[in-house]
Formats: sequence, structure tokens, C-alpha cells
Amino acid sequence: GAVVSQHPSRVICKSGTSVKIECRSLDFQATTMFWYRQFPKQSLMLMATSNEGSKATYEQGVEKDKFLINHASLTLSTLTVTSAHPEDSSFYICSARNRRLPYEAFFGQGTRLTVV
Amino acid sequence: DQQVKQNSPSLSVQEGRISILNCDYTNSMFDYFLWYKKYPAEGPTFLISISSIKDKNEDGRFTVFLNKSAKHLSLHIVPSQPGDSAVYFCAASASRTGANNLFFGTGTRLTVIP
Repeated sequence: GAVVSQHPSRVICKSGTSVKIECRSLDFQATTMFWYRQFPKQSLMLMATSNEGSKATYEQGVEKDKFLINHASLTLSTLTVTSAHPEDSSFYICSARNRRLPYEAFFGQGTRLTVV
Repeated sequence: DQQVKQNSPSLSVQEGRISILNCDYTNSMFDYFLWYKKYPAEGPTFLISISSIKDKNEDGRFTVFLNKSAKHLSLHIVPSQPGDSAVYFCAASASRTGANNLFFGTGTRLTVIP
């Protein structure tokens, strides 16, 4: 199956700092990438949808100035958590759609963010 | 508003027996359904999918059944193996609307007892 690589897998940062998470599709071109957040024992909640070369579309309640998404190429999308606070601590997961299989999504390994 | 629901947070099954995971949805626009398997601290891994034009799709030990009138789908794993122990998410997509995103259920933790 298609491979999506997410980095880093785990990061600890201080309050007020920014953290960048990368999501790469390794063997296919992903015109659309999705960013999810998962709280303990809860479902995956879609944060935003990013299309290559255009601005991301954020879900209601997600602060676009806090969660900066850049989809610079067909194989790379980044999520930057700016001025992180402890309540931003969560598990963040990206996924990418494969043009050959448009209705399936392949997920990265996820990033565990802890803000202290 | 949770459009995809998995009402059983956990399920324990003896090795070799059948595991049945259930999923209900409310949005009649959903026309493509997927099951994902997830281990702790990892991203979900795609398992099997089904289009609304079918009522069954089988792949090895995994079979997904879709009952459109009841807005219900289920994943059958038979025979269950200890390595199947994980959290299973069902997801739905309204592909005909042109929307790209998946709506996920809350997951069911499956434990297969050796």
C-alpha cells in the first residue's frame, strides 16, 4: 500500500514555542492531505484539509493562526503548532489521498506532542 | 455531532473465534465506508472498504457487511488471531458530494485472547 511518513513521532516542547510536524507521501503524489487530532479514547477529529498550492480549509473551531498548514508540494504538507500551550498536547495524524485510490486515505505514523 | 458511531468501546474474543465489530452512521450521503486498524502511538492502517453499491466485501479473514437501509456496517474477522488485537475505526465518506474527508467513529478496542 501507499506509504505516508510523518515526522517527528514524538516531541516535547515548552509553552510558547512552535512545533513543526512534517507529512510526506513517499511513493505517490498526494493532491490532498488531511490533518487529524486525537484525544485519549476519542475519535480522530479532522482539523484541516490542505490542497497542494492553495490555502488549507480549516474545520469549525480550529484556529488557523494557531495551526499553520503548508502544502508546498505534491509530497509534503506541514503543520506548525504556534505558541503551543499544554492544552495543545495531543496525538496529531496526517493522511493523504492517492489519486489512484481517491476514496481511501493512507495515514502517517502520528506525532505525540507534549507541551510542558 | 457524531455522524459515525461505534457503540462498543471494547470487545474481547477467544483466539480462533469470530470477531464482529459494528458501526452505525446517520448521514445518508455516505457512500463509501472503510475500516482501519490502529495500534497505540501509530497512525491507522487501512484494512478493507466497501462501496454503497455492494453489501459485502471480503478480503482474506476480513469481511465487511453493509446494510444501507439500517445505516449499519460490520466487520467480521474470522478466525481471530492475537495479532488482531488493536483499536478498529470505521470511517465514512460522501464521495458523490465531492468532499474529500473521512468521518471516523470513536473506535472499538479488540482484544483477542490466546
